[in-house]
Amino acid sequence: KNQVEQSPQSLIILEGKNCTLQCNYTVSPFSNLRWYKQDTGRGPVSLTIMTFSENTKSNGRYTATLDADTKQSSLHITASQLSDSASYICVVPPGGSQGNLIFGKGTKLSVKP
Amino acid sequence: GAVVSQHPSRVICKSGTSVKIECRSLDFQATTMFWYRQFPKKSLMLMATSNEGSKATYEQGVEKDKFLINHASLTLSTLTVTSAHPEDSSFYICSARDTLTQETQYFGPGTRLLVL
Repeated sequence: KNQVEQSPQSLIILEGKNCTLQCNYTVSPFSNLRWYKQDTGRGPVSLTIMTFSENTKSNGRYTATLDADTKQSSLHITASQLSDSASYICVVPPGGSQGNLIFGKGTKLSVKP
Repeated sequence: GAVVSQHPSRVICKSGTSVKIECRSLDFQATTMFWYRQFPKKSLMLMATSNEGSKATYEQGVEKDKFLINHASLTLSTLTVTSAHPEDSSFYICSARDTLTQETQYFGPGTRLLVL
């Protein structure tokens, strides 16, 4: 069964600290994995898209890693800011298809001053 | 980057009325758009796939007569919630796939529907 699992479910950190979010997937065949940021009451915004051959990709203070062998991905946030407070969603399209995305339940990150 | 807009951003309506939500791709053409529903603290759930010029494909359990989808142009898809009931209150999000590049789906900002 195609599944995407994220941990932790929620996380509270102090402003300026780093954090790492985890994503495990059992989607097959695999083509790419995406991380989205969703602010409360807003639509998801793409942070990174990682293909099978990519191990790491950065977007500003966000760095995503991918281990296709263990089917794990992580999203590392450096020097967190209050505006980083949001849900971070890991998404994998099965078979590389662009529809029927498999969504993780997200990690709700709260950055406190 | 690609921009997808939704209108309205939030709507409150009485039970039994119909509500139309628009999804527009602003700087690209989208042959395919997707409609999602998201309940509080839950994941996005795909409701239907909207294809320009043809009938939408609905996910299992989604009533096609209740959630009418029209994709009349390459930049506009509409979702009409007919005879809305309080249980239809939710956050509705559309996404659009760039026809030219077949790149990832770009999500709209969402529409908050509250049915009284």
